[in-house]
Amino acid sequence: ATQLAQSPSALSASVGDSVTITCRPSEGINSALAWYQQKPGQVPRLLIYEASTLESGVPSRFSGSTSGTEFTLTVTSLQPEDFATYYCQQFHTYPITFGQGTRLEIK
Amino acid sequence: QVQLEQSGVDLKKPGASMKISCKASGYRFSHYVIHWVRQAPGQSPEWMGWINGGSGFAKYAEIFQDRVTISRDTSASTVYLELRSLRSEDTAVYYCARDRGGLMMGVVVNHDIFDNWGQGTMVTVSS
Repeated sequence: ATQLAQSPSALSASVGDSVTITCRPSEGINSALAWYQQKPGQVPRLLIYEASTLESGVPSRFSGSTSGTEFTLTVTSLQPEDFATYYCQQFHTYPITFGQGTRLEIK
Repeated sequence: QVQLEQSGVDLKKPGASMKISCKASGYRFSHYVIHWVRQAPGQSPEWMGWINGGSGFAKYAEIFQDRVTISRDTSASTVYLELRSLRSEDTAVYYCARDRGGLMMGVVVNHDIFDNWGQGTMVTVSS
């Protein structure tokens, strides 16, 4: 199975900051990557798919990009509602797999 | 709007089977794939399989292949997940999620991206 290594596993930031989360697949997945946000007690929410396409209704402060084989999720101008756990997910090869998550906490 | 309404909390003993449901509304049931994803406490999500709402064809993650069945009832717009030989490690919240694909040029296209999720069903396996 394709493993996804997310980093960092946790980070602290303040409202207004920008943060970047990285996802490294164990093998090539082209652009078959999505990002989800999950708040405690809630269901995951699709933010970005195909590495950089913003899902409808998601604020433009969220963006996804690729650099070589590495994928990044960037959130600029953090808002209070952005503090959550973020997961990457690959859909290039079965089984579909998720990263271990990055918990974004308020500093 | 798209809604996926799941069945309630379930408590099972080791070795038993579970069958939970996911009722879809707000879209044409036969035009989309529905996935099942589970999430153990404090863990990241784990994909289990999907079913084509139109054809009924199902695909499973290999690790569940021997003990999982995903089925659907088109008349009730409902998808089911059955998991057999339960063990304590199966304790998790089970989610159904609609695929982002849909009907394109008369074919149900599967993108393996989850754009709408059910509220989750907590299943506890304990003696």
